Amino acid sequence: QVQLQESGPGLVKPSETLSLTCTVSGYSISSESYWEWIRQPPGKGLEWIGSVSHSGSTSYNSSLKSRVTISLDTSKNHFSLKLTSVTAADTAVYYCARGLNWEIEYWSQGTLVSVSP
Amino acid sequence: QTVVTQEPSLSVSPGGTVTLTCGLSSGSVSASHHPIWFQQTPGQAPRTLIYSINTRSSGVPDRFSGSIVGNKAALTITGAQADDDSHYYCGLHMGSGIDWVFGGGTKLTVL
Repeated sequence: QVQLQESGPGLVKPSETLSLTCTVSGYSISSESYWEWIRQPPGKGLEWIGSVSHSGSTSYNSSLKSRVTISLDTSKNHFSLKLTSVTAADTAVYYCARGLNWEIEYWSQGTLVSVSP
Repeated sequence: QTVVTQEPSLSVSPGGTVTLTCGLSSGSVSASHHPIWFQQTPGQAPRTLIYSINTRSSGVPDRFSGSIVGNKAALTITGAQADDDSHYYCGLHMGSGIDWVFGGGTKLTVL
């Protein structure tokens, strides 16, 4: 069974960098797949942040592209999200997920990251 | 900028049938958008119901079905049950380098 678990700080100061890691178990991140980051501000809808393929190719939401980096670490079977220059608008539950053949099948439980002084 | 549209809210009676739609602010939804549908209950991660228009994810009951109707993607729930009372989100794949755009969600009330 594929499982994903995020880790990282739950509180980030404005203007700093949000960093999250998603550790995958039950599946190699080097195998065919897309590794997604999706967020949801409190009380609002889902927003796709970006993805990295099993081969390391990345795609980003155009509205976040200048601030986002997603990368793979195959040695640890995890992938990471960095979002720079955060503001209160970046406060959200962050999910990582696996995409394959147009299906986003496996999701993490989500982690709330708050941006506050 | 691409905007994906959904009804903000809908209601259905237990045992009834309801159709949720997913459209584009400009243009028509087609198979190349690989429409995907998620269900989300409060405090939980989304659960994928349907992908690539009409393929059910593992374990999803067959009362959930997907289609393209006119210029929109559609999710139909046939024989609605109380635990279908949830938020539903659709997503459209906009192509390589852009990937997914999600709609604002539909709050479905079963009453």
